[in-house]
Amino acid sequence: AQKITQTQPGMFVQEKEAVTLDCTYDTSDQSYGLFWYKQPSSGEMIFLIYQGSYDEQNATEGRYSLNFQKARKSANLVISASQLGDSAMYFCAMSFTQGGSEKLVFGKGTKLTVNP
Amino acid sequence: DTGVSQDPRHKITKRGQNVTFRCDPISEHNRLYWYRQTLGQGPEFLTYFQNEAQLEKSRLLSDRFSAERPKGSFSTLEIQRTEQGDSAMYLCASVWGNSYNEQFFGPGTRLTVL
Repeated sequence: AQKITQTQPGMFVQEKEAVTLDCTYDTSDQSYGLFWYKQPSSGEMIFLIYQGSYDEQNATEGRYSLNFQKARKSANLVISASQLGDSAMYFCAMSFTQGGSEKLVFGKGTKLTVNP
Repeated sequence: DTGVSQDPRHKITKRGQNVTFRCDPISEHNRLYWYRQTLGQGPEFLTYFQNEAQLEKSRLLSDRFSAERPKGSFSTLEIQRTEQGDSAMYLCASVWGNSYNEQFFGPGTRLTVL
């Protein structure tokens, strides 16, 4: 069964420093997508970055980059130059097809706190 | 288009009452998903529509839950005879196309069952 594991319940980082949020996934499918979403205290899920299973290059979106290691089944999120506004919950998710339907399964999340 | 909207944002109800939530997706998005998120957890899949067809329901969705998407536009999620365990954030997301595209989420409806 498809599963996402985020082993860091909470992370702390100093403003302007980089931080890595860990994500490992479990699937036997060859085709899947990996996503990171940010959820501030307001509750809305905000899309950050996407990596396709066949993409050879690591995805980057501004200060966000995804460290994709397919053999290790890991998809860690790297945030460079942290800002106070980055404090939020971060969820790793995997998109896959099951029974003809595309589904998204989420990890339990990591709470990031950026200290001034 | 201003994105996915959900109404109401908050709902407090007494156990045993029925509640209905509405989701308005991004207009050109053909797929619509409902999720439930409890404290300390990531969102969990509830059900999924492609246009007006409900293609899949999670086993989390008991007989008390029903969802519709008439005409492939907005969607409603109804919970009958609410229980305290139904208290959660209900999230709606919409997505365009048929591949692994990003899902756009609404702000959610937070349900509290007293």
